[in-house]
Amino acid sequence: GAVVSQHPSRVICKSGTSVKIECRSLDFQATTMFWYRQFPKQSLMLMATSNEGSKATYEQGVEKDKFLINHASLTLSTLTVTSAHPEDSSFYICSARDYREDSGYTFGSGTRLTVV
Amino acid sequence: KQEVTQIPAALSVPEGENLVLNCSFTDSAIYNLQWFRQDPGKGLTSLLLIQSSQREQTSGRLNASLDKSSGRSTLYIAASQPGDSATYLCAARTDSWGKLQFGAGTQVVVTP
Repeated sequence: GAVVSQHPSRVICKSGTSVKIECRSLDFQATTMFWYRQFPKQSLMLMATSNEGSKATYEQGVEKDKFLINHASLTLSTLTVTSAHPEDSSFYICSARDYREDSGYTFGSGTRLTVV
Repeated sequence: KQEVTQIPAALSVPEGENLVLNCSFTDSAIYNLQWFRQDPGKGLTSLLLIQSSQREQTSGRLNASLDKSSGRSTLYIAASQPGDSATYLCAARTDSWGKLQFGAGTQVVVTP
């Protein structure tokens, strides 16, 4: 089945620095990928829709200048958390769908970001 | 706006019992509904996908039903095992772009 690889799995950064998270679709092309955020004991909240070759579509309330999304190829989307602050600490997960299969969406393993 | 609710929020059962997890959604105009499993600190593993035209899907000990008219889906796990302990999430696909609206999840503990 479809596999989505997400890196890093954990990252600790200092307040004010930027962190890049990568999401790759393996063995399939993904023109659209999705980025979610999950707070402890809560469900996933969609942050943005990443579209290959065009600008990402952000959900209401998500700062596009803070969460930069780049979908430069059909297999790679990146999320950069800029000028990170402790309140940005969270679990970030990406997803994609292999349109050749009728199997729904596949999620990455997630990235635990801690800003100190 | 689509809202997805999962009841109960937490569930503890002894090994061998059947599990029944409920998911309800407010807007019946969904493309499909997907059930996921999430282990602590991990990503999501897809369990079952039910298209809007289907009534149920089965995979091994798992069976999921979908009743669009009543806005409900139920995940059944037969003969539960300690390895089934995890949080189970349901998600409704709400538009052609593929946006998923998630429920808050049901945390399941299966005791030996």
